[in-house]
Amino acid sequence: ETGVTQSPTHLIKTRGQQVTLRCSSQSGHNTVSWYQQALGQGPQFIFQYYREEENGRGNFPPRFSGLQFPNYSSELNVNALELDDSALYLCASSHEGVPNYGYTFGSGTRLTVV
Amino acid sequence: AQSVTQLDSHVSVSEGTPVLLRCNYSSSYSPSLFWYVQHPNKGLQLLLKYTSAATLVKGINGFEAEFKKSETSFHLTKPSAHMSDAAEYFCVVRKRDGYNKLIFGAGTRLAVHP
Repeated sequence: ETGVTQSPTHLIKTRGQQVTLRCSSQSGHNTVSWYQQALGQGPQFIFQYYREEENGRGNFPPRFSGLQFPNYSSELNVNALELDDSALYLCASSHEGVPNYGYTFGSGTRLTVV
Repeated sequence: AQSVTQLDSHVSVSEGTPVLLRCNYSSSYSPSLFWYVQHPNKGLQLLLKYTSAATLVKGINGFEAEFKKSETSFHLTKPSAHMSDAAEYFCVVRKRDGYNKLIFGAGTRLAVHP
């Protein structure tokens, strides 16, 4: 059973640029969610994808968008990067429909905006 | 609305002594609660979860937590701390509102001294 894999592990971008982060879900999981963890804080929910559609969103602007592919892998796209977007971005996969399902997190992508 | 409050931002213990990390929750119905651990520059690892079965939940690495509805608490304990337990710990509640996002506490940093 494979875990959740995120790429890249580290990234440095300039303010105003666009970035794409990638996540491969754990085998058998059909749902992926993304979290932003700023330095010294707990993770904050960005959005969730189920069956290739966004089915939940946190308090993040539209320049944060995503995709889920038929193999349940996912991308997080951020446009017009701001300095405050610097954070650890975590992907979590789970299986909707399984009672009391859990979440498996990846190791994250550390994004630095300069 | 659901939320969690971690009562201590930092906890320091000596190796071999008990660990207590405190968490209070707020939920209008029976919650699903989790404890996650995050080692430096790593992703999140699930320690244990409560999903309305037994109120005393045993997790990995000797950790356990007790769900107390009357006190709205879900404290994490370990009888004897190990140096490798030094990390950030997050108490988490799952919000049930059509989709299931995780709401994280602010975290407790555990330091273990020789």
